[in-house]
Amino acid sequence: IAGITQAPTSQILAAGRRMTLRCTQDMRHNAMYWYRQDLGLGLRLIHYSNTAGTTGKGEVPDGYSVSRANTDDFPLTLASAVPSQTSVYFCASSEGVDTGANVLTFGAGSRLTVL
Amino acid sequence: GQNIDQPTEMTATEGAIVQINCTYQTSGFNGLFWYQQHAGEAPTFLSYNVLDGLEEKGRFSSFLSRSKGYSYLLLKELQMKDSASYLCAARDSNYQLIWGAGTKLIIKP
Repeated sequence: IAGITQAPTSQILAAGRRMTLRCTQDMRHNAMYWYRQDLGLGLRLIHYSNTAGTTGKGEVPDGYSVSRANTDDFPLTLASAVPSQTSVYFCASSEGVDTGANVLTFGAGSRLTVL
Repeated sequence: GQNIDQPTEMTATEGAIVQINCTYQTSGFNGLFWYQQHAGEAPTFLSYNVLDGLEEKGRFSSFLSRSKGYSYLLLKELQMKDSASYLCAARDSNYQLIWGAGTKLIIKP
């Protein structure tokens, strides 16, 4: 089934630990995104990649890093987790940034709790 | 600054009609999106408007007024499965999406 796979589904992490959230898509989409979703707030963009080999900072990039070595994979790394990074993280992809509607397809999300 | 406003929660009755409003302020404008998100699940695309007017897609319709910075999502013949959060998002001049906090729609029998 075509779509986006995120792992892990949920994770409890001690503060200060390093964590990588994995994201893989099989739709050959050019653009990929990482969002966080917190209660009472809209989705906030952390990092994005318009095409393989390029990345950019979103609205809330501090404490996070990404890489885009190929079209399919877009991992998000928390170098040293802090409690404020407790959130639900969604990976998304789209055909291209400025191609018409550019509809986003989302993964199922990764629920991260930092203690 | 850029901002999206939509009601936090709405309640409606099964079989009825409900209208969810969204107002936006963005730096430039390149389209207005509505996504549906069931509890604990990923958002899924519902509609896209870039020109003024109404777009109809089955039981769901979306309206846009660019001059007023206003959109609404109209859901007809409500079903229990329509209980979800509805996310409004506007795309700015840099093609970045600005998201509202979502409207939680509760459907009662």
